[in-house]
Amino acid sequence: TQLLEQSPQFLSIQEGENLTVYCNSSSVFSSLQWYRQEPGEGPVLLVTVVTGGEVKKLKRLTFQFGDARKDSSLHITAAQPGDTGLYLCAGNTGGFKTIFGAGTRLFVKA
Amino acid sequence: NAGVTQTPKFQVLKTGQSMTLQCAQDMNHNSMYWYRQDPGMGLRLIYYSASEGTTDKGEVPNGYNVSRLNKREFSLRLESAAPSQTSVYFCASTRTSGSINEQFFGPGTRLTVL
Repeated sequence: TQLLEQSPQFLSIQEGENLTVYCNSSSVFSSLQWYRQEPGEGPVLLVTVVTGGEVKKLKRLTFQFGDARKDSSLHITAAQPGDTGLYLCAGNTGGFKTIFGAGTRLFVKA
Repeated sequence: NAGVTQTPKFQVLKTGQSMTLQCAQDMNHNSMYWYRQDPGMGLRLIYYSASEGTTDKGEVPNGYNVSRLNKREFSLRLESAAPSQTSVYFCASTRTSGSINEQFFGPGTRLTVL
């Protein structure tokens, strides 16, 4: 069974702090996505990474795909209350199915 | 461009009742999916449809059936609801490019089975 483990499960920080969340697996993925889900809504795609070692930036968010394409990280600089939400990573292995992690729930206090 | 729409948004059922969750997408995607989301367990795949006319079981298909009515619409049916099916249900359609599957989700249906 393919698994994507996300850590930490829960993170509560003050506005302005930096943070990193992790997504790890023993499986190799052809691509990996990060989604953000706000309460009462569906997940929204943030980014897709494809190449081992790839780094993508989206404003204050930096995404990295591991060299072996088994893990990924999301770093947020100077977190804001609007960053609050559930962050999900999802891996593709080339078929029609996508494997989702259980998520990191982030709360940014003003 | 509405993206992915789902109805209803909320539903309460009694054990043994049946219902159909509706999903439609206007992005011309071939693949559509049904997931359930439970606390601490992430998104679990119930059924998917790789293209119009085909459906396949996912990780947790028991107690559910699906119909891919046309390219736009993919419905999920609970024939005899059980309390274990209390969950939030999400429909998604997928933009596929090679080995990349990017999913676009609806707003969800919050189902409670008493």
